[in-house]
Amino acid sequence: GNSVTQMEGPVTLSEEAFLTINCTYTATGYPSLFWYVQYPGEGLQLLLKATKADDKGSNKGFEATYRKETTSFHLEKGSVQVSDSAVYFCALSDNAGGTSYGKLTFGQGTILTVHP
Amino acid sequence: SAVISQKPSRDICQRGTSLTIQCQVDSQVTMMFWYRQQPGQSLTLIATANQGSEATYESGFVIDKFPISRPNLTFSTLTVSNMSPEDSSIYLCSVTGRANEQFFGPGTRLTVL
Repeated sequence: GNSVTQMEGPVTLSEEAFLTINCTYTATGYPSLFWYVQYPGEGLQLLLKATKADDKGSNKGFEATYRKETTSFHLEKGSVQVSDSAVYFCALSDNAGGTSYGKLTFGQGTILTVHP
Repeated sequence: SAVISQKPSRDICQRGTSLTIQCQVDSQVTMMFWYRQQPGQSLTLIATANQGSEATYESGFVIDKFPISRPNLTFSTLTVSNMSPEDSSIYLCSVTGRANEQFFGPGTRLTVL
């Protein structure tokens, strides 16, 4: 079955530091990949996505590249801000069709705390 | 992207009772999903709800415990039945966008005493 593995957290950084959150996946076929963010006390928001190999998703200074050869989708940001403190989830969507279509499989989430 | 609302936003319930959560979408969608997020955990899919057919449940979830209705293309309900403290979670509904991404409602935070 499909699975998503994220780096262990929590991650604590100082403002303006470089961020990497690792994500690797196992899937049959060619899934779509996503990063979601959950700010304290809020719901889940789509941060960025990539639908095929070598695609780069980007939003709000965050980037992630769909690497089929390494089955990875690592999240990066060059300079984090205090407002980036949140829980980040890597997820994949099975595009195989049938009853699996559209379902998301989530990683365990990584808590990011950014200090001034 | 779709705009999704959920009711109630939070509730505190007694053991053995049931709670029905509503999910409303601002556009017609074929598939809706219900997820559970236990405290400090990731999201787990409960079931997929298609209009006009029975919901499809994931392993570990059963219809008697989590009955789902999908009366039309913009609305769904999830009932958490015969609740116990282990059911304390955030329950979220979602719909699928064009690129297979999912858009989530704000969630219903349930506490069972």
